[in-house]
Amino acid sequence: ETGVTQSPTHLIKTRGQQVTLRCSSQSGHNTVSWYQQALGQGPQFIFQYYREEENGRGNFPPRFSGLQFPNYSSELNVNALELDDSALYLCASSLSGQLAKNIQYFGAGTRLSVL
Amino acid sequence: DQQVKQNSPSLSVQEGRISILNCDYTNSMFDYFLWYKKYPAEGPTFLISISSIKDKNEDGRFTVFLNKSAKHLSLHIVPSQPGDSAVYFCAAFISNFGNEKLTFGTGTRLTIIP
Repeated sequence: ETGVTQSPTHLIKTRGQQVTLRCSSQSGHNTVSWYQQALGQGPQFIFQYYREEENGRGNFPPRFSGLQFPNYSSELNVNALELDDSALYLCASSLSGQLAKNIQYFGAGTRLSVL
Repeated sequence: DQQVKQNSPSLSVQEGRISILNCDYTNSMFDYFLWYKKYPAEGPTFLISISSIKDKNEDGRFTVFLNKSAKHLSLHIVPSQPGDSAVYFCAAFISNFGNEKLTFGTGTRLTIIP
């Protein structure tokens, strides 16, 4: 049990729609990262938020955006969905500044299917 | 550009024997490495990590070895147990990069045969 929860667990959308995925971080963690895991691949870094500000972004277009809130919750928003956006979306929370214990704790993910 | 590579998609090991999972990386700026284990329908779970200033880190049945000159790390599980059957991901990051972006390999599915 990592203390990181994601909702919903599964979601089906059609191409062109918009989607919001939610994550509740472990209490006290000031950093949240979002990853996309396509079938048969490892998780790919989308972006990271630290104290409610974006702090690093992977190779994803601007239609992927996020928010982090003071209550340790966060959102991943994807606009103009494409078929290739079908994947498992993982969020991970951590406490920045503790290099020796720099561990990211993952939620179980949201499985998004775009038809 | 796959900066972290796990070239074995799957591995089967007899219960009680040693499991060795391998990982190679290309970016010499990586200075911290982690192994995660993933069961179906669950998120990745942290297993063990190693800093680039070390060449070995041990935690119970799990040992990670780092060979910086070869840009290679391995995870040893001794003895292997049925509950170890899962997908194992190797991950790396650059500690002074300003963020904690993890770069993952594609994973190795480990099956422990009773």
